[in-house]
Amino acid sequence: EVQLVESGGGLVEPGGSLRLSCAASGFTFSNTWMTWVRQAPGKGLEWVGRIKTKTEGGTIDYAAPVKGRFTISRDDSKNTLFLQMNSLKTEDTAVYYCATVSGKNWGQGTLVTVSS
Amino acid sequence: DIQMTQSPSSLSASVGDRVTITCRASQNINSYLNWYQQKPGKAPKLLIYTASSLQSGVPSTFSGSGSGTDFTLTISSLQPEDLATYYCQQIYSTPQTFGQGTKVEIK
Repeated sequence: EVQLVESGGGLVEPGGSLRLSCAASGFTFSNTWMTWVRQAPGKGLEWVGRIKTKTEGGTIDYAAPVKGRFTISRDDSKNTLFLQMNSLKTEDTAVYYCATVSGKNWGQGTLVTVSS
Repeated sequence: DIQMTQSPSSLSASVGDRVTITCRASQNINSYLNWYQQKPGKAPKLLIYTASSLQSGVPSTFSGSGSGTDFTLTISSLQPEDLATYYCQQIYSTPQTFGQGTKVEIK
């Protein structure tokens, strides 16, 4: 059974940092493109970024609102996807989901609240 | 960036009704379009991929059509459990943008 489990969310002050993790199991993680998607309270889905497999160059792309502040990475030895979030703003408050780029598998989400 | 425009933003229909949601891309995305269902407090669930392929385990009351810039999600017979918000997403190019969502309510 495919499972994606996010962790690391919480309350952080504006300007702070947070690192989210997504533990994957039930599929060959190293062969899978992965993505982060977020959803602000009461709002729609927003694509955050995507990372390709290492064999395909490991290319990473980001949405404009997070480019330069967020970093996506992966540790294929630990089947884990990461989202390092720096210089956080109140508008980054959202539930953050990791998912396979195909859209077939999603985690349950982790809530990040940026507030003073 | 490719903009995805869904309509309507919300609808109310009766059990058994046929429901149609449309999604328009700002440029040609071939068939690189997914449809998702999201129930309150839950993660999105993939319904349709590459515009018209039904994801395994999804009821056959759901179908998708279209290519290029215009796409449609159809629920042939609305059921109470279909109460949800539905999103389209283009996976043709990054950023892989979503539509703004269509909230489906049961009359």
